[in-house]
Amino acid sequence: QSVLTQPPSVSAAPGQKVTISCSGSSSNIGNNYVSWYQQLPGTAPKLLIYDNNKRPSGIPDRFSGSKSGTSATLGITGLQTGDEADYYCGTWDSSLSAGQVFGGGTKLTVL
Amino acid sequence: EVQLVESGGGLVKPGGSLRLSCAASGFTFSSYSMNWVRQAPGKGLEWVSSISSSSSYIYYADSVKGRFTISRDNAKNSLYLQMNSLRAEDTAVYYCARAGRPLPPYYFDYWGQGTLVTVSS
Repeated sequence: QSVLTQPPSVSAAPGQKVTISCSGSSSNIGNNYVSWYQQLPGTAPKLLIYDNNKRPSGIPDRFSGSKSGTSATLGITGLQTGDEADYYCGTWDSSLSAGQVFGGGTKLTVL
Repeated sequence: EVQLVESGGGLVKPGGSLRLSCAASGFTFSSYSMNWVRQAPGKGLEWVSSISSSSSYIYYADSVKGRFTISRDNAKNSLYLQMNSLRAEDTAVYYCARAGRPLPPYYFDYWGQGTLVTVSS
């Protein structure tokens, strides 16, 4: 059971928009920055969003992030078949067992 | 170009030990915190351990505390993970990842390709 909760799967048609939610608590998302990662099949994860809504160099503006309270959201517009991947949210948990935590991952299917 | 290359994975019996290495290049290794993240077959990401640039701050997941030891050699641009008392549930691909900021809350801006550790009799 992951500390951060994500939907197991989402789907949408090419060209459409999709959002992926990530729910946590005051000890993690509520008081720390959130990052998002994309993992294409058979590859290592790749940073998509950091500090809630910042994109690293080279990440297209089709990808966006937001945070409100103890939840965060990844948005992807103009869906492409190449966006089919697993997406993970992550943040630091400041509870007694402090450490990095991830969501369980969301499989995006582009129909 | 930032490169992280893991090595040292393999098949080990329960209770055994293994040492993973991560060779870094393309950036000033001694200036960055580094991390190990693992992924069991067909499962999600699990953070394992983090070490600050000068090894002053070290963090472990509860699942590996007391069994795994993270270390680094800045002169050799290398990160290590000594894994002892291995269990079947430690079976996973282990990724080396660079932290984008010196202290928590971390984000991981570069990842290696991973090395597979299989714990089985």
